[in-house]
Amino acid sequence: RKEVEQDPGPFNVPEGATVAFNCTYSNSASQSFFWYRQDCRKEPKLLMSVYSSGNEDGRFTAQLNRASQYISLLIRDSKLSDSATYLCVVNQAGTALIFGKGTTLSVSS
Amino acid sequence: EAGVAQSPRYKIIEKRQSVAFWCNPISGHATLYWYQQILGQGPKLLIQFQNNGVVDDSQLPKDRFSAERLKGVDSTLKIQPAKLEDSAVYLCASSLGVGDEQYFGPGTRLTVT
Repeated sequence: RKEVEQDPGPFNVPEGATVAFNCTYSNSASQSFFWYRQDCRKEPKLLMSVYSSGNEDGRFTAQLNRASQYISLLIRDSKLSDSATYLCVVNQAGTALIFGKGTTLSVSS
Repeated sequence: EAGVAQSPRYKIIEKRQSVAFWCNPISGHATLYWYQQILGQGPKLLIQFQNNGVVDDSQLPKDRFSAERLKGVDSTLKIQPAKLEDSAVYLCASSLGVGDEQYFGPGTRLTVT
């Protein structure tokens, strides 16, 4: 079983749509959780951290379910500029980040 | 604030040749990481430095890959000899400390023919 698993997509949605990405992780000792965004041929950039209580940043909402070892990212009112690959990332204290393969989103007009 | 710098941006070599990549982290960042990202996959950690000491190199193929950060600032990653499967983007990242937000450089795209 891979440490971090994501549906690779691609997810093709029209502008204004709501889209959700899911991610599961295998190590129950994982302590920190993130979503990174990676544009084509660019470096990954932190989109948001994921907290146990869930957190929201504008149109983006992240949720964590520790019991199910499951993380989600919801994007509301999708924009063309949201087209990118979204990487689910976990780590344990003091260790490096473990990345999923990423989920590709394509938003069309 | 200047970001993480990497060079070269692109490199094409033949198998069995050697290659070296350079990374200059954000000023003041004690932790430096090298990742390998193969097309269609997420970045995979190769080595992590805290200042000039190695924290984690468990996934570094030590028979051909080496890395150093002698003065605790710049770092170099070397591959000798290269194999076809080394074709990937090599990303350098830095953070203030372990567990802090990581900032990535633009990467070096290596093609081994």
